[in-house]
Amino acid sequence: SQTIHQWPATLVQPVGSPLSLECTVEGTSNPNLYWYRQAAGRGLQLLFYSVGIGQISSEVPQNLSASRPQDRQFILSSKKLLLSDSGFYLCAWSEGSSYGYTFGSGTRLTVV
Amino acid sequence: ILNVEQSPQSLHVQEGDSTNFTCSFPSSNFYALHWYRWETAKSPEALFVMTLNGDEKKKGRISATLNTKEGYSYLYIKGSQPEDSATYLCASRGDAGKSTFGDGTTLTVKP
Repeated sequence: SQTIHQWPATLVQPVGSPLSLECTVEGTSNPNLYWYRQAAGRGLQLLFYSVGIGQISSEVPQNLSASRPQDRQFILSSKKLLLSDSGFYLCAWSEGSSYGYTFGSGTRLTVV
Repeated sequence: ILNVEQSPQSLHVQEGDSTNFTCSFPSSNFYALHWYRWETAKSPEALFVMTLNGDEKKKGRISATLNTKEGYSYLYIKGSQPEDSATYLCASRGDAGKSTFGDGTTLTVKP
């Protein structure tokens, strides 16, 4: 069966520090991978998605970036965090447009 | 409609009440409509994936309908229970598998 792992679960980082959140999927190959963020009191906002290794599409201009170094690994990064980067980050995968998402357990990021 | 909109934003009902929520989405470039349940301290879990106009899906006491021509979907919960308390998200799936989510409807069921 397919599983998705996301870590860390919580993170408190100072403004200006770097960020690296990692997501891995097991039990499937060539999944579509996504990073979403929920800011306080809001819904889920798509940040990045990837349909294959090295293929990253950005939805929202910001100081975050994403990479997919391996088929089932998706990384969200920042060189310098801003206060506005605080939120709940979710990684997700799906098999394609006709399928729902399976979400990771999420990362609560607080930038102080 | 340019975005996915859900109403109401929140709902408080008594145990045993039946309830429903609305999701409105752009009817153009439509691929699929998804409903998710998001319980506190957990990840969103898929409830339904709906693709065809007139689709009706059911899982236990929860059901959903889809109208792609006018761009709306309804989620119904019959005989609400406290364990149904959660935020219910809908998402319109477009090209490349990207989904646009609504802000959700938060349901609280009082015993």
